[in-house]
Amino acid sequence: ETGVTQSPTHLIKTRGQQVTLRCSSQSGHNTVSWYQQALGQGPQFIFQYYREEENGRGNFPPRFSGLQFPNYSSELNVNALELDDSALYLCASSLEGQASYEQYFGPGTRLTVT
Amino acid sequence: GQSLEQPSEVTAVEGAIVQINCTYQTSGFYGLSWYQQHDGGAPTFLSYNALDGLEETGRFSSFLSRSDSYGYLLLQELQMKDSASYFCAVRVFTGGGNKLTFGTGTQLKVEL
Repeated sequence: ETGVTQSPTHLIKTRGQQVTLRCSSQSGHNTVSWYQQALGQGPQFIFQYYREEENGRGNFPPRFSGLQFPNYSSELNVNALELDDSALYLCASSLEGQASYEQYFGPGTRLTVT
Repeated sequence: GQSLEQPSEVTAVEGAIVQINCTYQTSGFYGLSWYQQHDGGAPTFLSYNALDGLEETGRFSSFLSRSDSYGYLLLQELQMKDSASYFCAVRVFTGGGNKLTFGTGTQLKVEL
């Protein structure tokens, strides 16, 4: 069974630039959620994708967008980067359609905006 | 919206028992999960309560009281490797989705 993987591991961008982060879900999981975790804080829900559609969104502006592909992998895109976007970005996969309460997290992408 | 409160830091000695409390305010509540996160690592699932009562999984137990909007994680026979951050998270139904809202985390330090 393959776990959740994310790429890249680390990334440094300049304010105003755009970034794309990638996530491969655990084998058999059809739902991917994205979280932002600032230093010393808990993960904050950005949005969730199920069957290639956005299925719930947290309090993040529209410049945070995403995609899910037929193989259930996913991308998180952030436009017009701001300094406050510096954080650990986590994706988590789960299996919806059942009473799934356990999400499997990837190792995260550490984004630094300068 | 949702809000969760848990202590920011707890210190205990190896072999002891520690309890990490979590109170929450939310609508559409489905259950309370607990996750462990070591520095620089990914959160990993520990336990989940949908109904009132105690769930036991090895050295870890979790409790939920829906009427009090309260839960706790109990760690027994503490080991040095248990030093980590522990997050409670409410599971909320979002019209088909399984959304988790996390607390700010409790940093557990286990000392000799």
